[in-house]
Amino acid sequence: DGGITQSPKYLFRKEGQNVTLSCEQNLNHDAMYWYRQDPGQGLRLIYYSQIVNDFQKGDIAEGYSVSREKKESFPLTVTSAQKNPTAFYLCASSPILGTQYFGPGTRLLVL
Amino acid sequence: KNEVEQSPQNLTAQEGEFITINCSYSVGISALHWLQQHPGGGIVSLFMLSSGKKKHGRLIATINIQEKHSSLHITASHPRDSAVYICAAPLSSGGRGGGADGLTFGKGTHLIIQP
Repeated sequence: DGGITQSPKYLFRKEGQNVTLSCEQNLNHDAMYWYRQDPGQGLRLIYYSQIVNDFQKGDIAEGYSVSREKKESFPLTVTSAQKNPTAFYLCASSPILGTQYFGPGTRLLVL
Repeated sequence: KNEVEQSPQNLTAQEGEFITINCSYSVGISALHWLQQHPGGGIVSLFMLSSGKKKHGRLIATINIQEKHSSLHITASHPRDSAVYICAAPLSSGGRGGGADGLTFGKGTHLIIQP
């Protein structure tokens, strides 16, 4: 079955620690995205990538980093510089001109 | 940068009622998205539309590009329709219809359909 997988479903981070959220798609989509959702707020764009080895900052990129070494994969690292990392993180992918498909999400909690 | 507003923020209705959720955006676009988010957090794309009307089962989405306004309707609503419905538009006016440079989202409409 084609789709987007995110792992883990829940992730705990200690103060000062970097953590990496995984996102994989087998839909052969060129574009991939990371969004963050906080209670009572709409989703906000962290980073996006339209092609391998290239990515762009979204509205709230500070404290995050990404890589796009393969078309299928777009991991997001939440660095220690992100002061308020507790949130629900959603990965999505799309053809360049098409609908975005979303993964199941990862909930990140700070211990 | 596009800004998206949705209304109402919360909506409770009885089973069978006709539901309307509204969305307006600030910058001209070529397409708008309607999404559904269930309590577990998973998001499903319902519609991407650039003009007129689209229908899928009991869901109908309309858009007026000139007025920068879209509506999502649910006919014969059912408790399983209870979810958060989110409107989204490409971040920038120059963006391609799918929003390949990312989407900006409304805050969502929390819909509860009571039996």
